[in-house]
Amino acid sequence: AQKVTQAQTEISVVEKEDVTLDCVYETRDTTYYLFWYKQPPSGELVFLIRRNSFDEQNEISGRYSWNFQKSTSSFNFTITASQVVDSAVYFCALSEERETSGSRLTFGEGTQLTVNP
Amino acid sequence: NAGVTQTPKFRILKIGQSMTLQCTQDMNHNYMYWYRQDPGMGLKLIYYSVGAGITDKGEVPNGYNVSRSTTEDFPLRLELAAPSQTSVYFCASSYSAGLQYFGPGTRLTVL
Repeated sequence: AQKVTQAQTEISVVEKEDVTLDCVYETRDTTYYLFWYKQPPSGELVFLIRRNSFDEQNEISGRYSWNFQKSTSSFNFTITASQVVDSAVYFCALSEERETSGSRLTFGEGTQLTVNP
Repeated sequence: NAGVTQTPKFRILKIGQSMTLQCTQDMNHNYMYWYRQDPGMGLKLIYYSVGAGITDKGEVPNGYNVSRSTTEDFPLRLELAAPSQTSVYFCASSYSAGLQYFGPGTRLTVL
């Protein structure tokens, strides 16, 4: 069975601080995908990144960066110079991707990030 | 393209009532999914479908039914609503086994 753990339930920072959200996963699959989603107070799910299990390169997109380490089964997300608009719940998710079952997602329980001015 | 649309946006049900949550996608995706998100929690898979006429259970299927008569539509049926089904329901779709596109969600309260 797959499992995603986000140990940080809530994080509060002051604007312009850097913040890292942790994600640890468990799977028996050799091929899988990892995701991060943002859920702002309005409630919709905003896709941030999708990473293939064979691609361990770190990724940077503007103020966002992701560190994927297969050896520790972790896929951490860092926001640099945080802004108030970054306040949201952030979910890490894992999917097996099979033609017989699609890309069923297993979500972590989320980290509530509050960025204070 | 509208993407994935869900209706209604909000609904309040009384215990024992039934209702259908509608989900439609216009991207010609084969795969469709229903998730529920309880307060303060992550999403959990209720049912999924790999194509018209084919559905299967996810992690939390009890109390729900689905059907998939067309590629575009994947309705979720609650037969006897219970307070434990108070949740936000998200529908999603994907092409083949790829990235999922989520609808805006339906907020359901059962009193």
